[in-house]
Amino acid sequence: ETGVTQTPRHLVMGMTNKKSLKCEQHLGHNAMYWYKQSAKKPLELMFVYSLEERVENNSVPSRFSPECPNSSHLFLHLHTLQPEDSALYLCASSQENQSPYEQYFGPGTRLTVT
Amino acid sequence: GEDVEQSLFLSVREGDSSVINCTYTDSSSTYLYWYKQEPGAGLQLLTYIFSNMDMKQDQRLTVLLNKKDKHLSLRIADTQTGDSAIYFCAESNSGYALNFGKGTSLLVTP
Repeated sequence: ETGVTQTPRHLVMGMTNKKSLKCEQHLGHNAMYWYKQSAKKPLELMFVYSLEERVENNSVPSRFSPECPNSSHLFLHLHTLQPEDSALYLCASSQENQSPYEQYFGPGTRLTVT
Repeated sequence: GEDVEQSLFLSVREGDSSVINCTYTDSSSTYLYWYKQEPGAGLQLLTYIFSNMDMKQDQRLTVLLNKKDKHLSLRIADTQTGDSAIYFCAESNSGYALNFGKGTSLLVTP
């Protein structure tokens, strides 16, 4: 595997379900990110982890819970979601303090909440 | 947060040049980026420019930066059908947070 991988690629869940999204980066980076991409809205940064510590949480509802067990893996735990949470969830990674700070993205998980 | 604005759609004929424009508001932006997103895929970094530069060329891609007007453009020469995608402008001043525009959908017609 190379780059940034995400599983599953597609997920349909009911509002009462609990599910998790997984991201893995094979680039040796030390920072990882979750973004939400909704139709007709800019890409929204949700969480940032640097050296496995959460350094940014952009007012994300508590029904989204991130976890970063090591520098290569990032999870997004989902519970009691709302239909408006349906979106493409993108994971990215980068090397902290290494300009030009480029972020490498995974293919995303298309989430549909019914 | 800071705003990054882009036009939503652009249609060009194959072989023509495409110019995608972007404006931003953060005067402390350090780097500005262009990402490409093809259907069903994540974002792919195409190119970036440091804020003290005004132009960068990379094969068919030319990036122009007018820092005074906070205007960034991406020119794609000899546009091909494979260039059809969504193009995102983004800026950063911190190394963590990238502020993205809503993306410009480029359609290349034969």
